[in-house]
Amino acid sequence: EDKVVQSPLSLVVHEGDTVTLNCSYEVTNFRSLLWYKQEKKAPTFLFMLTSSGIEKKSGRLSSILDKKELFSILNITATQTGDSAVYLCAVDSGGSNYKLTFGKGTLLTVNP
Amino acid sequence: DVKVTQSSRYLVKRTGEKVFLECVQDMDHENMFWYRQDPGLGLRLIYFSYDVKMKEKGDIPEGYSVSREKKERFSLILESASTNQTSMYLCASSLPGQGAWETQYFGPGTRLLVL
Repeated sequence: EDKVVQSPLSLVVHEGDTVTLNCSYEVTNFRSLLWYKQEKKAPTFLFMLTSSGIEKKSGRLSSILDKKELFSILNITATQTGDSAVYLCAVDSGGSNYKLTFGKGTLLTVNP
Repeated sequence: DVKVTQSSRYLVKRTGEKVFLECVQDMDHENMFWYRQDPGLGLRLIYFSYDVKMKEKGDIPEGYSVSREKKERFSLILESASTNQTSMYLCASSLPGQGAWETQYFGPGTRLLVL
C-alpha cells in the first residue's frame, strides 16, 4: 500500500523564522511529488517535483526531492502570518488512473 | 475569477437520506475529481471522471456514486447517507495527461454533517 508521511504534524513559529517541512513516501511506482497549501478551504498547488536534486522555487518557498532517500522538503524563509496554513504533500504513483496519495498535512502557525 | 464551485458550503442531512453534491468548473477541463478530507486521514479520492459519462473508482467509492452528464458538471451522490460519511468533500478539476496535477484546481469544499 502506498504511503506518504509528513512531519511535523504541526509547527508554531514567529514571523521571520525559516521553516522546513518534511515528506517521506513509499510507493510502488513513483511518478511525481506535489506540495499544496490549504488555508481555510481549497488546497492550492505549490510545486510538482519529478527529478532528484532540482530545486523548485517560488518567492520565499522552495522545495527539493530526493528519490534515493524517498523524501522531499518544503522550505519557507522569512515566514509571514499569511503563510499560516496546512501544507499537504501528495505522491502520484502512476498507473492508468489519476490517483494521488496524500499525507496528513503539516499545520503551520506563524505568530506575529 | 470563479474556477470550481460547489453547490453548498455546509449541509446537514439525516441518516438514510439521498444526498447530492454538485460541482461545476468553468475551465473546460476534461478531468474532474471528488475527494473527502477527514482529520488524521488526509485527502482520499472517491471517484474521478476523465470525460463525460466516464468514471473511475478511487480509493473509497463504497456508499457513493457519481454522475457526469456535461463536461463542466460532476455530481457526487450519497445513496443513503450514514454518519460515517460526515466529512469535508472537495471537488477538483484538471487538464488530462502530464499537465493534470499542475492544472488541478479545487473547489471551496462542502462540509457535510449526517445526523
